[in-house]
Amino acid sequence: EPEVTQTPSHQVTQMGQEVILRCVPISNHLYFYWYRQILGQKVEFLVSFYNNEISEKSEIFDDQFSVERPDGSNFTLKIRSTKLEDSAMYFCASSEGTGQRGYTFGSGTRLTVV
Amino acid sequence: DAKTTQPNSMESNEEEPVHLPCNHSTISGTDYIHWYRQLPSQGPEYVIHGLTSNVNNRMASLAIAEDRKSSTLILHRATLRDAAVYYCILRRSGYSTLTFGKGTMLLVSP
Repeated sequence: EPEVTQTPSHQVTQMGQEVILRCVPISNHLYFYWYRQILGQKVEFLVSFYNNEISEKSEIFDDQFSVERPDGSNFTLKIRSTKLEDSAMYFCASSEGTGQRGYTFGSGTRLTVV
Repeated sequence: DAKTTQPNSMESNEEEPVHLPCNHSTISGTDYIHWYRQLPSQGPEYVIHGLTSNVNNRMASLAIAEDRKSSTLILHRATLRDAAVYYCILRRSGYSTLTFGKGTMLLVSP
């Protein structure tokens, strides 16, 4: 069964450093997403991406965050200057369409900011 | 987004059926009812979705009330691997965002 692949599985970074989280969505999917889950809390939407641009974003997704699809297969989330509160599991997901389609999530990247 | 209400937790024995309820009294006509689950230390996993009619797939069944104000996810024979947090989510047609609540933690005993 097709999978969404995320790398690395765990990243430790110093506060103020830039990090890039990488994802390879399912090849025929058109919509791409990032969600995050702080330990013990709900899964929170960050951003959705379609046709090479952001289609929706949450209040969490401020100027410190950016997304990019640099080639035909990768989808990245960049955090420019990490803060302690950015420590969380970050999940990438993809879907064929909206509304009536299910998402496929990756296994996540655990980001620890020290 | 229309809100869903689920019990915080439920318990089941292995090989017994499990009925996970969800109330969504403010659902609109274009909202699809989605269920996801999250196993420990994993990303959410799509389970099933429906609009008005009951749905079956290899993982589960979804029973939707006639007025669509509630639904029930049915696991026909629970296994230990089904222990997870189950989320009932309303997803409006044409919109991509999933809004996760706290879900129902399902505990399965041998």
